[in-house]
Amino acid sequence: EPEVTQTPSHQVTQMGQEVILRCVPISNHLYFYWYRQILGQKVEFLVSFYNNEISEKSEIFDDQFSVERPDGSNFTLKIRSTKLEDSAMYFCASRHDSVSEAFFGQGTRLTVV
Amino acid sequence: AQTVTQSQPEMSVQEAETVTLSCTYDTSESDYYLFWYKQPPSRQMILVIRQEAYKQQNATENRFSVNFQKAAKSFSLKISDSQLGDAAMYFCAYRYLDPEYGNKLVFGAGTILRVKS
Repeated sequence: EPEVTQTPSHQVTQMGQEVILRCVPISNHLYFYWYRQILGQKVEFLVSFYNNEISEKSEIFDDQFSVERPDGSNFTLKIRSTKLEDSAMYFCASRHDSVSEAFFGQGTRLTVV
Repeated sequence: AQTVTQSQPEMSVQEAETVTLSCTYDTSESDYYLFWYKQPPSRQMILVIRQEAYKQQNATENRFSVNFQKAAKSFSLKISDSQLGDAAMYFCAYRYLDPEYGNKLVFGAGTILRVKS
């Protein structure tokens, strides 16, 4: 069964460092998302990506964040200068079209120290 | 803005019994989807069930069913014959149906379900 794959599963980084979280969505999917979940809290939307551009972003997704789909298969989330409060579980999700359900990856746990 | 409220931070159920998790939402839209996601300790997000707002019939998936009350903006999940593997965090989620936008999911705060043997 096709699945969304995220790497790494766990990343520890120093405050101020750049991190790139990687996702391989399901191959025929067209809509891509990043969500995050701070430990013990709700899952929050960060950004959606469609037709090679951002279609929507939340107030969390500030200038420190960027997304890219560099080669038609990977979908990356970059945090330029990490802060302690960026520590969270980051989920990638993808959908085939505007009505189908989203499939989530297993998440990347980011720890900023 | 759409909001999703889960008023039960934690619920317990005896194995083989039935439990209902509550969810209410606020929206001015008429076309949307509602979902229940399960998050076990591995923290993977697993879709349990989905409901299209235009359908009057409540969705069912094996032991999982929903009670969708559109006028009341209520969307509860019933788990029948609860099993130990049902223990997890359950999130209710809403998605606005508009192909022009990213159709993001808006999640509730979650309900921890504990299953007692």
